[in-house]
Amino acid sequence: DQQVKQNSPSLSVQEGRISILNCDYTNSMFDYFLWYKKYPAEGPTFLISISSIKDKNEDGRFTVFLNKSAKHLSLHIVPSQPGDSAVYFCAAEGLGGGSNYKLTFGKGTLLTVNP
Amino acid sequence: DGGITQSPKYLFRKEGQNVTLSCEQNLNHDAMYWYRQDPGQGLRLIYYSQIVNDFQKGDIAEGYSVSREKKESFPLTVTSAQKNPTAFYLCASTLAWGTEAFFGQGTRLTVV
Repeated sequence: DQQVKQNSPSLSVQEGRISILNCDYTNSMFDYFLWYKKYPAEGPTFLISISSIKDKNEDGRFTVFLNKSAKHLSLHIVPSQPGDSAVYFCAAEGLGGGSNYKLTFGKGTLLTVNP
Repeated sequence: DGGITQSPKYLFRKEGQNVTLSCEQNLNHDAMYWYRQDPGQGLRLIYYSQIVNDFQKGDIAEGYSVSREKKESFPLTVTSAQKNPTAFYLCASTLAWGTEAFFGQGTRLTVV
């Protein structure tokens, strides 16, 4: 049962345009959400996060939007640059067993930004 | 410099052998995680630990074992019971809830 879903395996955009990556979750106990960027054969690097008490967080070219009622979040990158080409993972944190928090990832979306 | 270190980067083992992957962090983080990445599968949680001497199974724990004897270390053993051990393994740590997780560079395990 996949609790964090990224339904688009890939996305291609032109340099300078907006990239929008989407993520849906099913577990209402998730209360903290993160986006990571990953290159092949490397560990993911943190991009931006949002807690469930907010609906928007912005950091430079990156903005994350959270719609709790729809259990949906999105990452906007504007303007997109060729160096943004990578796999983007959505992650959610919430209660696992007992009082333990666990971090659950989606399957990722491969973003390609064309010059 | 603080960080999280996985070793080795590449590991080859014969089928039927147990193998232990190392993960060490000097970030003073309480929580540590092990994930496995396969093509098209994203990052799947194997085990996680919030405190020393305590850990929980993730979504795909079968065929794996862990220990958390020290705060800095969270080794993962891939046992012969794991049916498809060849994968890219990632270790992560977080300070607390609501903070970003830091990842190691990963270990690519190939079982032949």
